[in-house]
Amino acid sequence: EDQVTQSPEALRLQEGESSSLNCSYTVSGLRGLFWYRQDPGKGPEFLFTLYSAGEEKEKERLKATLTKKESFLHITAPKPEDSATYLCAVRKNSGYALNFGKGTSLLVTP
Amino acid sequence: DGGITQSPKYLFRKEGQNVTLSCEQNLNHDAMYWYRQDPGQGLRLIYYSQIVNDFQKGDIAEGYSVSREKKESFPLTVTSAQKNPTAFYLCASSTGDSYNEQFFGPGTRLTVL
Repeated sequence: EDQVTQSPEALRLQEGESSSLNCSYTVSGLRGLFWYRQDPGKGPEFLFTLYSAGEEKEKERLKATLTKKESFLHITAPKPEDSATYLCAVRKNSGYALNFGKGTSLLVTP
Repeated sequence: DGGITQSPKYLFRKEGQNVTLSCEQNLNHDAMYWYRQDPGQGLRLIYYSQIVNDFQKGDIAEGYSVSREKKESFPLTVTSAQKNPTAFYLCASSTGDSYNEQFFGPGTRLTVL
């Protein structure tokens, strides 16, 4: 069965304190790993897609990396506006739908 | 502006009533999806549609129904058979290529009174 596990569940950082969020997955034949950001009461906002081990993508203070078993979302020198829940998902083996992890809730304090 | 709209933003339902949640997209995407989000849980797939007039059940389809008569629209009906319908409902769409990302609407929060 496809599974996506995110850790930690919650993370509190001071502004400027870099860290990483983890997403481990078990799926046969990866057809994309996706990172989303979700603010309270809003729909997820797409951040990155990674397709193969070794791939990296960056956007402002965020950098996503992928290995054969997990992905990391590195946050460099975060700001309070980076506070949100970060969701990881992999495409299911059958069809187009996504299998989501439970998310990591990030709080960045000034 | 291209995007996905969902309405209403908030919806209140009495027990025993059916309600329909609207989802419209102008991105010219072939595939559309409905997810449910509960506190402390990941998004769970209710139904998805890859083309007009065709749709498939997801992991938690019981108590829900959908239609896909137009490419732009994918309404979700929450029926009285759904035992615990209070949740945040999210609609998404993607191109027909199975490798591409999904884009989400703003969501509808349904509360059963």
